[in-house]
Amino acid sequence: EVVLTQSPDFQSVTPKEKVTITCRASQSIGVMLHWFQQKPDQSPKLLIKYASQTISGVPSRFSGSGSGTDFTLTINSLAAEDAATYYCHQSSTFPWTFGQGTKVEIK
Amino acid sequence: QVQLQESGPGLVKPSETLSLTCAVSGGSVSGGSVSSGSYYWNWIRQPAGKGLEWIGRLFITGSTNYNPSLKSRVTMSLDTSKNQFSLNLSFVTAADTAVYYCARYDDYEGMDYWGQGTLVTVSS
Repeated sequence: EVVLTQSPDFQSVTPKEKVTITCRASQSIGVMLHWFQQKPDQSPKLLIKYASQTISGVPSRFSGSGSGTDFTLTINSLAAEDAATYYCHQSSTFPWTFGQGTKVEIK
Repeated sequence: QVQLQESGPGLVKPSETLSLTCAVSGGSVSGGSVSSGSYYWNWIRQPAGKGLEWIGRLFITGSTNYNPSLKSRVTMSLDTSKNQFSLNLSFVTAADTAVYYCARYDDYEGMDYWGQGTLVTVSS
């Protein structure tokens, strides 16, 4: 099973700051890595697909990069509505797996 | 706009079978094409305050892939006449208490559509 390890687990950030969340895979997964945002009592929302591809309707301040085993989600100029838990997810190898999540709090 | 809606009992007794259905609207469970790729229908769960666990996926052909941690207890099926798909999880315990989500995975778009989730509690 591919283990995805996110860091940090928690981040408290002031608005307009830049946020960087990393996701490390236990084995190479190419670009089969996706990022989700989940707010309390909501279902996850796809932010980035295949490591770096943007999703229609998602603000441009969200971007992704990486390949192989190391991936990054960047939120440029954090907005108040970005308070949420962020998950990475790999669809390279069965069983598909998710990272443990990174909670982003607004200071 | 594709929409998914989970339904099923919110309370299941230990050792019994959890059965959920995901109704798909705005699109077909038989969907997919050369241009749009293939669709796979998924179940994912999330215990309260915890992370996401992929349960398995189902393709239009009926082929399935299950998480080995649940494989012996999971069955997924597709009902094209009702445009829905289902999850059965047998011999449940309290550890199976979670919010269960259904979701569509598109070869080109990733896990792009999710249901709102349904809470299933395992308790006598």
